[in-house]
Amino acid sequence: EPEVTQTPSHQVTQMGQEVILRCVPISNHLYFYWYRQILGQKVEFLVSFYNNEISEKSEIFDDQFSVERPDGSNFTLKIRSTKLEDSAMYFCASSESTGGLGNTIYFGEGSWLTVV
Amino acid sequence: QKEVEQNSGPLSVPEGAIASLNCTYSDRGSQSFFWYRQYSGKSPELIMSIYSNGDKEDGRFTAQLNKASQYVSLLIRDSQPSDSATYLCAVNSPGGQNFVFGPGTRLSVLP
Repeated sequence: EPEVTQTPSHQVTQMGQEVILRCVPISNHLYFYWYRQILGQKVEFLVSFYNNEISEKSEIFDDQFSVERPDGSNFTLKIRSTKLEDSAMYFCASSESTGGLGNTIYFGEGSWLTVV
Repeated sequence: QKEVEQNSGPLSVPEGAIASLNCTYSDRGSQSFFWYRQYSGKSPELIMSIYSNGDKEDGRFTAQLNKASQYVSLLIRDSQPSDSATYLCAVNSPGGQNFVFGPGTRLSVLP
């Protein structure tokens, strides 16, 4: 069964450093997402991406964050100048379409980021 | 601001009982509704989706949707200890580019 894959599964970084989280969405999916879940809290939307550009982003997704699809398969989230409060599980997700009936998003296993 | 609300729980039920999980949403234009299960430290896993008013059954799971009341629920029949997890309700609106998740309800099925 096709799945969304994410790397790394866990990363520890020092405050102020930059991290890149990588994702390979399901191959025939066109829409890509990043979500964040701080320990014990709810899953929060960060950004959606379609046709090589951001289609929607939340208030959380400020200038510290960026996304990129550097090639035909990878989808990355870059976090610059990390802060302690960026420690969270970051989920990549993908879907065939968006907004309409029948659309479903599928999550990767997550990348656990710890900022120390 | 689109909101999705759930009771945080924990909801405890004995093994074999029916677990009932509830969710309300604020965007009346919402059209697609999803239930995900999340085990601790794991990613959300899709259980069911529902788009039309009424019930939708899949094995031990039944999703119920009432758009007039802006309410969606999930029933789990013959609950098993392996069903112990956090259940997330998610809503996707037409034209929306993202899914909004509720805070989740923690379910504990006691052997």
